[in-house]
Amino acid sequence: RKEVEQDPGPFNVPEGATVAFNCTYSNSASQSFFWYRQDCRKEPKLLMSVYSSGNEDGRFTAQLNRASQYISLLIRDSKLSDSATYLCVVMTTDSWGKFQFGAGTQVVVTP
Amino acid sequence: NAGVTQTPKFQVLKTGQSMTLQCAQDMNHNSMYWYRQDPGMGLRLIYYSASEGTTDKGEVPNGYNVSRLNKREFSLRLESAAPSQTSVYFCASSVTVLEAFFGQGTRLTVV
Repeated sequence: RKEVEQDPGPFNVPEGATVAFNCTYSNSASQSFFWYRQDCRKEPKLLMSVYSSGNEDGRFTAQLNRASQYISLLIRDSKLSDSATYLCVVMTTDSWGKFQFGAGTQVVVTP
Repeated sequence: NAGVTQTPKFQVLKTGQSMTLQCAQDMNHNSMYWYRQDPGMGLRLIYYSASEGTTDKGEVPNGYNVSRLNKREFSLRLESAAPSQTSVYFCASSVTVLEAFFGQGTRLTVV
């Protein structure tokens, strides 16, 4: 079983709609959580960190559920430019400094 | 602002050939990483260097060697390339556990 699992999608979303997806992690020692964005044939870039209390960055909201061991990302008022693959990233205390990546969830925003 | 620079961007090798992927960062980061990305697999850590002079195996180190030449440079060597090493290789660096910065990637094909 992979340590970080994501629904690969694609999630086809009309422009202006809301889309949400989850990422589950298996290691209860996981301490730090992130969402990265990767455009087609480009390098991953940090979208946002995920804090215990949940956090927002503009149209993006990230949540952490430690009890069920998942994090979520919600995108409101989707733009065409939000089309990308969203990578869930986890860091555990027993592999501190090493980022563990999920395989990504593809989002396609359509006009 | 160069950030993380990888060379080459594309490479085709014959089975059994060797090559070195170069990576340099100009952000004075301590930690550097080599990942490979395959379809459906996400990014998998090959090797990690927490600081100059130290290296540590990641999830998929077999068939690879690394050198942390100095604080700026971290190279990845394939001694005898195999078709299973066909992948996209990303170098990354970080100064804290909050964010990894990636190079643009090297698309390697082994025939």
